[in-house]
Amino acid sequence: DAGVTQSPTHLIKTRGQQVTLRCSPKSGHDTVSWYQQALGQGPQFIFQYYEEEERQRGNFPDRFSGHQFPNYSSELNVNALLLGDSALYLCASSLERGSEQYFGPGTRLTVT
Amino acid sequence: GESVGLHLPTLSVQEGDNSIINCAYSNSASDYFIWYKQESGKGPQFIIDIRSNMDKRQGQRVTVLLNKTVKHLSLQIAATQPGDSAVYFCAEFEGYSTLTFGKGTMLLVSP
Repeated sequence: DAGVTQSPTHLIKTRGQQVTLRCSPKSGHDTVSWYQQALGQGPQFIFQYYEEEERQRGNFPDRFSGHQFPNYSSELNVNALLLGDSALYLCASSLERGSEQYFGPGTRLTVT
Repeated sequence: GESVGLHLPTLSVQEGDNSIINCAYSNSASDYFIWYKQESGKGPQFIIDIRSNMDKRQGQRVTVLLNKTVKHLSLQIAATQPGDSAVYFCAEFEGYSTLTFGKGTMLLVSP
């Protein structure tokens, strides 16, 4: 039974560019949440997707957007990248009515 | 892997010691809490959880204590091993199933 997978593992982008990160949830899970983790900090909630809709959103600008597909996989898009967007981006999956979230290994984004 | 522990409070213990990691949470309405372990280069891994109708819960070598009066959680690890070295986060469960993480504590276990 595969856990949460994310791609790519590492990514280097230039300021102003756009990036797309991908996540496949744990088998049987229907809810995907995205978190940003700056170096030395705890993860911060970006948004959550359920039934292909953004259900809840944290305190992140509109440059951060996402999508969930019918197979429950998800993408995180960030436009007009800033240096401060450099972070580890974590995807977590869960059951809609469940509590425990399972995290993927993350994508390390570096903006230069 | 790269460290997630820069600028974090650090607890250094010897192998075999008991470790206690503390966490203060902010929302008095929170009713579910989780401790996560994060090793370098990896995503957070679930350790143990506790609901607000309990003040103590035990797992294998780990115990979580909840003091709602002062909004405080602690994680106790018995007979700490080098493999326990990691950053530990407490998290409050909110809304539909989103987590608000604390600042984290780095645990360093010396053989």
